[in-house]
Amino acid sequence: GAGVSQSPRYKVAKRGQDVALRCDPISGHVSLFWYQQALGQGPEFLTYFQNEAQLDKSGLPSDRFFAERPEGSVSTLKIQRTQQEDSAVYLCASSFSAGDEQFFGPGTRLTVL
Amino acid sequence: AQSVTQLGSHVSVSEGALVLLRCNYSSSVPPYLFWYVQYPNQGLQLLLKYTSAATLVKGINGFEAEFKKSETSFHLTKPSAHMSDAAEYFCAVSETGGSYIPTFGRGTSLIVHP
Repeated sequence: GAGVSQSPRYKVAKRGQDVALRCDPISGHVSLFWYQQALGQGPEFLTYFQNEAQLDKSGLPSDRFFAERPEGSVSTLKIQRTQQEDSAVYLCASSFSAGDEQFFGPGTRLTVL
Repeated sequence: AQSVTQLGSHVSVSEGALVLLRCNYSSSVPPYLFWYVQYPNQGLQLLLKYTSAATLVKGINGFEAEFKKSETSFHLTKPSAHMSDAAEYFCAVSETGGSYIPTFGRGTSLIVHP
């Protein structure tokens, strides 16, 4: 299993619930990206880590969204008080370094009812 | 600022026919350009990328794309479509010397019929 993995693959949440989405990047990859992909759209950048440092979080849509990568490997994207507009596929990607090819995980499909 | 426009949300071709997926970009600095493919319920996979070397870039699965600065285009082509090429295709641009964070187009769904 050398690819990027994400869990859960599917998540259904009631409006107002908190959710946590996990990304396991390829071992040794320094850079990690989170994207949000709405239905029928391309991925939209959320946030970027280099090792454990969050270098860019300009794409996070609100302060309900929070991401961390405390040990520079696994990352978690947390969404507090979910809203219906948060329904989307959340993609994680990793690369050996910034500017290198990004390898994408299969995504987590979040549905907020 | 950078942006990508993919003309045509759906492209339909017959098996064996030429595939042409259009992508135009805007960038304030020399760009890196990418094409990704996404199969249902999967993540994106890189088909090819342009990083200021040869303007004609060859990728996997027989795809290629040509960078045309004068037209700000990076169209994706394949001489002969296979049924297995049916998927969603995304063009993306990132700016050299920046954070390398790509901006994606809205995607083009390629439909291949027998």
